[in-house]
Amino acid sequence: GQSLEQPSEVTAVEGAIVQINCTYQTSGFYGLSWYQQHDGGAPTFLSYNALDGLEETGRFSSFLSRSDSYGYLLLQELQMKDSASYFCAVRDAVEDDKIIFGKGTRLHILP
Amino acid sequence: SAVISQKPSRDICQRGTSLTIQCQVDSQVTMMFWYRQQPGQSLTLIATANQGSEATYESGFVIDKFPISRPNLTFSTLTVSNMSPEDSSIYLCSVEVSSYEQYFGPGTRLTVT
Repeated sequence: GQSLEQPSEVTAVEGAIVQINCTYQTSGFYGLSWYQQHDGGAPTFLSYNALDGLEETGRFSSFLSRSDSYGYLLLQELQMKDSASYFCAVRDAVEDDKIIFGKGTRLHILP
Repeated sequence: SAVISQKPSRDICQRGTSLTIQCQVDSQVTMMFWYRQQPGQSLTLIATANQGSEATYESGFVIDKFPISRPNLTFSTLTVSNMSPEDSSIYLCSVEVSSYEQYFGPGTRLTVT
């Protein structure tokens, strides 16, 4: 089977840095994706890691360690608009190639 | 990229009735996906819809309850049949633009009374 674990909630201060972790267990693994979803909105794609290491896209970075089955999303210079839910997702190479989403991490940002 | 629209955006329905949700994509795509999301919860895949073939349903979801149509490469419908309050949820369609990236529609917020 497959599972993804991520914290249910994280709180940080505006302007700070926050890291949202994700550990996964899948029968087969292609890579780890991250999605952002604001309240009432649709999930939107943020990043993807297929190889070990850090991928940077502006204020957001994503990291993957395949040997540890672990990844994280790093958000820098937090802004109030970053308040949202963040989902990690994997494509399971064995389970019909479908994308499996984690339960999501609710990010609260304090002024 | 892909632009996806869904109709209706929200609806309030009585138990025992059915609602058909439409999903339109601005480009041709092979696979379309239907998800359900309870408020504050993760996305649960209902089924995968391929044009020209029967939809593939995930465990816990059956065709009689959630019939899906996929008449062409830009359109799909999901029907929620014989609704009960437990079907109250947000229903989202999505398409794959790459092997690791999906675009989602804005969702249909369904309330069953």
